[in-house]
Amino acid sequence: DAMVIQNPRYQVTQFGKPVTLSCSQTLNHNVMYWYQQKSSQAPKLLFHYYDKDFNNEADTPDNFQSRRPNTSFCFLDIRSPGLGDAAMYLCATSTPSSGANVLTFGAGSRLTVL
Amino acid sequence: DAKTTQPTSMDCAEGRAANLPCNHSTISGNEYVYWYRQIHSQGPQYIIHGLKNNETNEMASLIITEDRKSSTLILPHATLRDTAVYYCIVKTSYDKVIFGPGTSLSVIP
Repeated sequence: DAMVIQNPRYQVTQFGKPVTLSCSQTLNHNVMYWYQQKSSQAPKLLFHYYDKDFNNEADTPDNFQSRRPNTSFCFLDIRSPGLGDAAMYLCATSTPSSGANVLTFGAGSRLTVL
Repeated sequence: DAKTTQPTSMDCAEGRAANLPCNHSTISGNEYVYWYRQIHSQGPQYIIHGLKNNETNEMASLIITEDRKSSTLILPHATLRDTAVYYCIVKTSYDKVIFGPGTSLSVIP
């Protein structure tokens, strides 16, 4: 089945040690999103790519970066993780059209910062 | 994006219909109503969407009022597996998806 796959599902890192989370999709969707979800909160949009165009949310810290080398893959880089960056990171994809724009989410990557 | 208002939490007896309301009084003509849900520790899952007409699929029904200022998601026969946070989102096809707090639905045995 076509899907959105996130790796790793669980990541433990040390304070300040860079971490990269990956997302791949077989849906050939042109939009890919990264959300951060902290405990008991709604997902918060960090940024998204529309094809190769990067769109950063105004309140996303500089500590968070993203790369999209091709249609299928997108990466989230956290340059110097702090304790406050511990969260579930969700990747989603979509293809906007004149009709609906439905997001397909991956299972998420849970980041623990020690 | 139009803002939505949902109750913080709801309970529903197993086997009964769960009716989850959403207010979106500032919705514009080209904005769709979408519902997603998130079961604990999983990624959000798309349920259903609509523009003007009522919609039904294998998961749920969506009832949109004639003035489009509110809608109701109906799970016809709630099961324990329907316990989740339900998000109502109003947006155009090209808007990004911004999640509000949602409604935490608890299905009670």
